[in-house]
Amino acid sequence: QQPVQSPQAVILREGEDAVINCSSSKALYSVHWYRQKHGEAPVFLMILLKGGEQKGHEKISASFNEKKQQSSLYLTASQLSYSGTYFCGTPGSSYQLTFGKGTKLSVIP
Amino acid sequence: DSGVTQTPKHLITATGQRVTLRCSPRSGDLSVYWYQQSLDQGLQFLIQYYNGEERAKGNILERFSAQQFPDLHSELNLSSLELGDSALYFCASSVGLDRDTEAFFGQGTRLTVV
Repeated sequence: QQPVQSPQAVILREGEDAVINCSSSKALYSVHWYRQKHGEAPVFLMILLKGGEQKGHEKISASFNEKKQQSSLYLTASQLSYSGTYFCGTPGSSYQLTFGKGTKLSVIP
Repeated sequence: DSGVTQTPKHLITATGQRVTLRCSPRSGDLSVYWYQQSLDQGLQFLIQYYNGEERAKGNILERFSAQQFPDLHSELNLSSLELGDSALYFCASSVGLDRDTEAFFGQGTRLTVV
């Protein structure tokens, strides 16, 4: 099943903070986060694992609540370069990722 | 540069035609995934191969097929093309099969069906 992301879109001014949420109806062992700029390839940000382990981008923080089957990505002191669409992905039986519909983040000066 | 190479970058073809998209994974990666991204849509998983074998299928149409060759490159074949097949097709690769393995995406092939 496809994870559900919220909000669908958010506009921030430089320096403001944002939270992007991802929830799933099935039990999760990990949540993967990617960012895609318009017309470009998705780029890996981080993986959150059951048990609290994280792997990936040092400057981005995130949380993973296994019981609630939810993950949140925290973008603080946003910069123009943070603009893009953020996708969360959850692994299937063969570890293929099913992605949410994405959250479009626009950071303006 | 992710190390994943996709060719061609752009493809324009007519309805009813057949095209082949090619993907070379990162050196050492055994797993290849194909995704379709329509205009302003998310990433729809199509199919996955691991070391030459099909491992998982997603929302892939019967008109579409794929394979992974002994040198680990993969091809996605799209036939009897329709206007609605116009999309960005991404290939991604990962080292193996594990829940904490990151995937690296190629730059995509933009297919336009006219």
